[in-house]
Parts: sequence; structure tokens; C-alpha cells
Amino acid sequence: QVHLVQSGAEVKKPGASVKVSCKASGYTFTSFPMHWVRQAPGQSLEWMGRINAGNGDTIYSERFQGRVTLTTDTSANTAYMELNSLRSDDTAVYYCAYRSGLDCWGQGTLVTVSS
Amino acid sequence: DAVVTQSPLSLPVTLGQPASISCRSSQSLVYSDGNTYLNWFQQRPGQPPRRLIYKVSNRGSGVPDRFSGSGSGTDFTLQISRVEAEDVGVYYCMQGIYPFIFGPGTRVDIK
Repeated sequence: QVHLVQSGAEVKKPGASVKVSCKASGYTFTSFPMHWVRQAPGQSLEWMGRINAGNGDTIYSERFQGRVTLTTDTSANTAYMELNSLRSDDTAVYYCAYRSGLDCWGQGTLVTVSS
Repeated sequence: DAVVTQSPLSLPVTLGQPASISCRSSQSLVYSDGNTYLNWFQQRPGQPPRRLIYKVSNRGSGVPDRFSGSGSGTDFTLQISRVEAEDVGVYYCMQGIYPFIFGPGTRVDIK
């Protein structure tokens, strides 16, 4: 059974960076892409990008291009999302989701950006 | 980028009655491989989203058969044949062609 476990909540100041992890189990990590989606309080879902866990190839939403970096550590079956130059409107729950059908989601990581 | 809209945005339903949610994309979701990439997700209060339907009409693993999806091109529908209490939540459609775009969500609650 596929299981995605994300790192814990973070509080950051404006201008800082945050790195969220997503540890996968229950499947061959390098066989499928990992996507990242965020949800601001009371808002809809927003796709940020995806990484091909097999070769590291990435596709980013234009909205986050230049500010987000997706990486993986295949030895640890873990994907990472790093967002820099944080602003207050980056306050959101960040999710990882496996495969391009977003078949299974992590539990979410709340990132709060506040001075 | 394309725009994805849903209607209604709020849907009060009676237990045991059917419910229907519409989703429209401003661009065709038929990809060059011939597949149509439109997914539906359910988000219960305080939970991460859960995929219900992929490629218009395919139910995900463990999804009850009271959920069904239909449509083509730019217009799609999610139907719940008989609403149960556990169906309360927000439902999102999503275009599965890059960049992925989610609809605004439809909040389903019990009358």
C-alpha cells in the first residue's frame, strides 16, 4: 500500500526559505513522478510542479518558476520541495502526491510565513 | 493558462438523494495520446484530498460505485447516485494536462 509521510509544520519569516520532505513507501520510488500541490487557508488547490523520481526531470508551474526547487533522494525514497523568498501569501498547507493522476497524497505540511 | 470552473459552488443535498457537479475547462482536455485528462477529488474536512475519478470516468481504488464521472472535451460531470453522510466535503475537478489546474471546488453538505 502506498504511503506518503511529510515533515512537520514550519514557521518562517518573510524572505526565508522552507524545505518540506515527503517519504514514500509501498512502491518503487523511481518508477513514478511526485507532484506538489498547495492549499492556502480556505482556498482551492494549486499545483506547483512535479519531479520524475527516476531521472530528476522537473516541470514547474510558471507561477512558481525560479522560486521553487523539487529534488529527490532515491536512497531514502524521499522527495523534497524547497520554496524560497517566502511571503505571507505563501502561508498554506503543502502536499506531495504520487503519480500524475495524483493517486495518493501525503498528510500535508502547514507552512506559516509571518514576521 | 486554461481556466477551470465548477458549478454549483455550494450544494446542499438530502441524504439518499442524487447529486451532480459540473466542471468546465476553457480548453479541450483531450491529449495527443487520445486520452482525456480530467480528474475528480474529494476533500473531507481536515483531510488531504482523495482522488475519486481519473481520466473522466475511471473510479480509483476503493472508491464506492455511487460515484461516477462523465463528459468529454471541455465539459464534465461528477454524479453521486445516493448521497451518504460521509460524502460531506469539497469536491474539486482538475485538468491533468500541464500545467495542472484545479477548479474552485464545490462544497457539499447535508440539508
